[in-house]
Amino acid sequence: AQRVTQPEKLLSVFKGAPVELKCNYSYSGSPELFWYVQYSRQRLQLLLRHISRESIKGFTADLNKGETSFHLKKPFAQEEDSAMYYCALLSNTGKLIFGQGTTLQVKP
Amino acid sequence: EAGVAQSPRYKIIEKRQSVAFWCNPISGHATLYWYQQILGQGPKLLIQFQNNGVVDDSQLPKDRFSAERLKGVDSTLKIQPAKLEDSAVYLCASSLTPGRSNTEAFFGQGTRLTVV
Repeated sequence: AQRVTQPEKLLSVFKGAPVELKCNYSYSGSPELFWYVQYSRQRLQLLLRHISRESIKGFTADLNKGETSFHLKKPFAQEEDSAMYYCALLSNTGKLIFGQGTTLQVKP
Repeated sequence: EAGVAQSPRYKIIEKRQSVAFWCNPISGHATLYWYQQILGQGPKLLIQFQNNGVVDDSQLPKDRFSAERLKGVDSTLKIQPAKLEDSAVYLCASSLTPGRSNTEAFFGQGTRLTVV
């Protein structure tokens, strides 16, 4: 079964602290994985995709096929990072499946 | 470029009534998704279109939900009759195809449905 699991509903850190948002997936094949973000009162939007191996707003995510994980990391959190983060998996039929989401709260 | 447009933004109906949502995807986007997002949960895929054909509707409650995408552009999602548990935000998204390397789903602002 295709599934995305985000075990933490809420992650609260202080400004400047490191952040790791966890994501595990279940997929028989080679998935494409993404992190989407929703800031307050804004649309859901793409943050980064694993295939690009890019760093966006200081965030990175590495696909670990052995652990079936795609955790999102940032070394120093900023208050403007406070948002809802969703891990998503794209199947080979174009089906885009989301996890339950993690609220990141960065305290001053 | 113009984004994904959805209407209405908000809708309040009584249970057993009918409701319809409309989505206009980004021009040229062949793939269109409808998601249901219940408060505190992640978006749940209801139906996926490729042009005007259905690719996946395995999680669409077909006894009460229906969707169409005539001419492969705009789409409507209908609920008839609505239940209290249908209260949610309904999100529409679109993306380019073919090829997966350029896949990015663009989302509309959603329609917040409250069933009373």
